Amino acid sequence: DVKVTQSSRYLVKRTGEKVFLECVQDMDHENMFWYRQDPGLGLRLIYFSYDVKMKEKGDIPEGYSVSREKKERFSLILESASTNQTSMYLCASSPPGRLYNEQFFGPGTRLTVL
Amino acid sequence: GENVEQHPSTLSVQEGDSAVIKCTYSDSASNYFPWYKQELGKGPQLIIDIRSNVGEKKDQRIAVTLNKTAKHFSLHITETQPEDSAVYFCAPRGGGATNKLIFGTGTLLAVQP
Repeated sequence: DVKVTQSSRYLVKRTGEKVFLECVQDMDHENMFWYRQDPGLGLRLIYFSYDVKMKEKGDIPEGYSVSREKKERFSLILESASTNQTSMYLCASSPPGRLYNEQFFGPGTRLTVL
Repeated sequence: GENVEQHPSTLSVQEGDSAVIKCTYSDSASNYFPWYKQELGKGPQLIIDIRSNVGEKKDQRIAVTLNKTAKHFSLHITETQPEDSAVYFCAPRGGGATNKLIFGTGTLLAVQP
């Protein structure tokens, strides 16, 4: 079974703090993704990565950066957290190749920025 | 970019009834049409998908139908059970050479026992 784990289920941070969200997958997947989920908006793609040290912007990258130093780990970084970044953050991974590939999701991290 | 709309946003059915959720998309180059189910406290999980060269696919009580001309596809759940209660997302894959899914806004399905 594919397992995608996220470092925290719940996180509370203060405005201006630097925040790291970690994601690890154990199936040697090349593709990894970070989404945020907000009520009424569905899942929106922040960043994705097809390989180590490789990253591409998704639909809402502003205010975020990512790091992929190892194949199994994909980190989302909020350089200076703001209250509008309060959200559920979901990490996903998918097998090699770019077509018709199921994405496997972690359980999510609910981030609150005060 | 791809515009995805999903209806209804909430759906309540009696146990044993059928449920249908519809997803419309704008990108005529879309060629892959999955449905994900998200249970409370969990991440979304793929439950069924269909490719653009197929009109319908069934897997036990769930089915997906695709109308490429009209640019919509639907999730059908028959003989609903309380464990079907969840949020369902369509996520058509946009045209182009990426594995990028465009998620709909979700449908909260409640199956009343």
